[in-house]
Amino acid sequence: DTGVSQDPRHKITKRGQNVTFRCDPISEHNRLYWYRQTLGQGPEFLTYFQNEAQLEKSRLLSDRFSAERPKGSFSTLEIQRTEQGDSAMYLCASSSTGSGDQPQHFGDGTRLSIL
Amino acid sequence: GENVEQHPSTLSVQEGDSAVIKCTYSDSASNYFPWYKQELGKRPQLIIDIRSNVGEKKDQRIAVTLNKTAKHFSLHITETQPEDSAVYFCAASETSYDKVIFGPGTSLSVIP
Repeated sequence: DTGVSQDPRHKITKRGQNVTFRCDPISEHNRLYWYRQTLGQGPEFLTYFQNEAQLEKSRLLSDRFSAERPKGSFSTLEIQRTEQGDSAMYLCASSSTGSGDQPQHFGDGTRLSIL
Repeated sequence: GENVEQHPSTLSVQEGDSAVIKCTYSDSASNYFPWYKQELGKRPQLIIDIRSNVGEKKDQRIAVTLNKTAKHFSLHITETQPEDSAVYFCAASETSYDKVIFGPGTSLSVIP
């Protein structure tokens, strides 16, 4: 079990640029989640997938945000035309709907800083 | 939608004392209540969870209680140690594999 991995760990970009983050879940996990965490706050749900299907999107996820999980394995989160308010830690988690309750396991996150 | 509140926001205890963090939730459909510990700059890590058909669960120095009628749940840490210092988040969800709604966090400091 290599755990959930996210890339990059840090991203610094200028306002107005597009950024893309990648998440590789634990291999046998069919569910994948994206959360956003700002300083001093708890993680906020953004969206989640079961296999390649996107099941729910939060109202926090504006039209500038898009997430995909094309083959039901890794996922990407893209932010277009970044704004100052997008600066945050973007966390990915995965779990399984298989037998028994499977809690969500988090990755180390991608810290986004908008200049 | 679900709303999770948590208090206190900061908690300072002497090493060896107990720490208690309390949370409330709003959605009756929530049945799964995980607790995560997050050290500075690190990922949230699950430390214990409880489901709605159970009133209490214990794992060594950590225990959680749930009052589903009142929509309250609590984390108890006994015999605190300096390495317990971190931010603790309570959370609620319909199941372990649904979206999780987190509380705002409690920053626990254990003073040696």
